[in-house]
Amino acid sequence: DAGVIQSPRHEVTEMGQEVTLRCKPISGHNSLFWYRQTMMRGLELLIYFNNNVPIDDSGMPEDRFSAKMPNASFSTLKIQPSEPRDSAVYFCASSLGRGTNEQYFGPGTRLTVT
Amino acid sequence: AQSVAQPEDQVNVAEGNPLTVKCTYSVSGNPYLFWYVQYPNRGLQFLLKYITGDNLVKGSYGFEAEFNKSQTSFHLKKPSALVSDSALYFCAVRVRSNDYKLSFGAGTTVTVRA
Repeated sequence: DAGVIQSPRHEVTEMGQEVTLRCKPISGHNSLFWYRQTMMRGLELLIYFNNNVPIDDSGMPEDRFSAKMPNASFSTLKIQPSEPRDSAVYFCASSLGRGTNEQYFGPGTRLTVT
Repeated sequence: AQSVAQPEDQVNVAEGNPLTVKCTYSVSGNPYLFWYVQYPNRGLQFLLKYITGDNLVKGSYGFEAEFNKSQTSFHLKKPSALVSDSALYFCAVRVRSNDYKLSFGAGTTVTVRA
């Protein structure tokens, strides 16, 4: 298996622009998670889906952030408009089932907003 | 609320010496505990987990961890560290009643010197 796939790996954009991050989970996994990692705040859970349905988006920082999972093999995280404080590494992770199963992380997207 | 603490920001050991990375947790019920490792510019990789049963859990790359309920700890150990073990290590906890979310510690940077 190729593991969790994220694109792009790096994104540099100007403040005010729309940014879309993409994730393909491991085939067969039914839970998908979006995280953000920064030096100041560490690893934060933004939102997670189960069976393509958003379960908890309480970690989404504000309305500028939105996430979708139109099918079991694809998810997007969109920031519109982007701000410099959104600069971070964004990880997507997937897992099978619930409870006891570990999450598998993608390589991350490093976002820089200037 | 579920949480984990990693009391040491950094751990430095010589190659061949034992390595211990500390983790304590706080949950309202019985915890599910996980260790992940992150190499530079990579996503998190699962090392091992405790769900139930034997308090000593063995995982990838020669790592093991001991669950101690009375001390609410789940320390990661390796009998003989390698230079290649140098990385950022995260402890995480999931409470059964909250099956999806992982609460991550702040991380411990391990440096193994040759």
